[in-house]
Amino acid sequence: LAKTTQPISMDSYEGQEVNITCSHNNIATNDYITWYQQFPSQGPRFIIQGYKTKVTNEVASLFIPADRKSSTLSLPRVSLSDTAVYYCLVGDSSGYSTLTFGKGTMLLVSP
Amino acid sequence: DVKVTQSSRYLVKRTGEKVFLECVQDMDHENMFWYRQDPGLGLRLIYFSYDVKMKEKGDIPEGYSVSREKKERFSLILESASTNQTSMYLCAIDRGNYGYTFGSGTRLTVV
Repeated sequence: LAKTTQPISMDSYEGQEVNITCSHNNIATNDYITWYQQFPSQGPRFIIQGYKTKVTNEVASLFIPADRKSSTLSLPRVSLSDTAVYYCLVGDSSGYSTLTFGKGTMLLVSP
Repeated sequence: DVKVTQSSRYLVKRTGEKVFLECVQDMDHENMFWYRQDPGLGLRLIYFSYDVKMKEKGDIPEGYSVSREKKERFSLILESASTNQTSMYLCAIDRGNYGYTFGSGTRLTVV
């Protein structure tokens, strides 16, 4: 499983767009990129998944450059309820024994 | 959408007790996982199962065992609870390519 690197924390204000970048230099050909959101005392929640280029759903967009060595989760117009930890995960569902979510990025949204 | 249910949100057990944490899914997914989450350490994989009666060790299996007698149920067993097993325990299923659905978690305190 490709190791990922994310910023430990980010700050933003309500209404702003937030971009969280994840580096995964050793990503393999079959690997997908998946982002999760976690609130305190809850399990992580799937946000978005992609393989290349751009993916968009009702809550976020995921930008993946051609070399796939990084990815950016984009949250449009954040609100206070977007304050959470965001995890980037890279893998192809093989090698579960080495699966790790890493430390994630703590996003704090202020009024 | 699949639902993952963990039997208890909070548990307090005594050192040396045998502890059972139960996880049930309401669909037919093959891959189920147990993680623990501790501050500063992120999510760490304890065990996973890819089918009934099949199990694989994760990164930190010591002190734990698992049971999967039916496809929908995956149990984590602490044979003799210790204080260093105080943690948040999270069960998850894999919908494919790391599209995980997590349960709400069980916060276990061993005293």
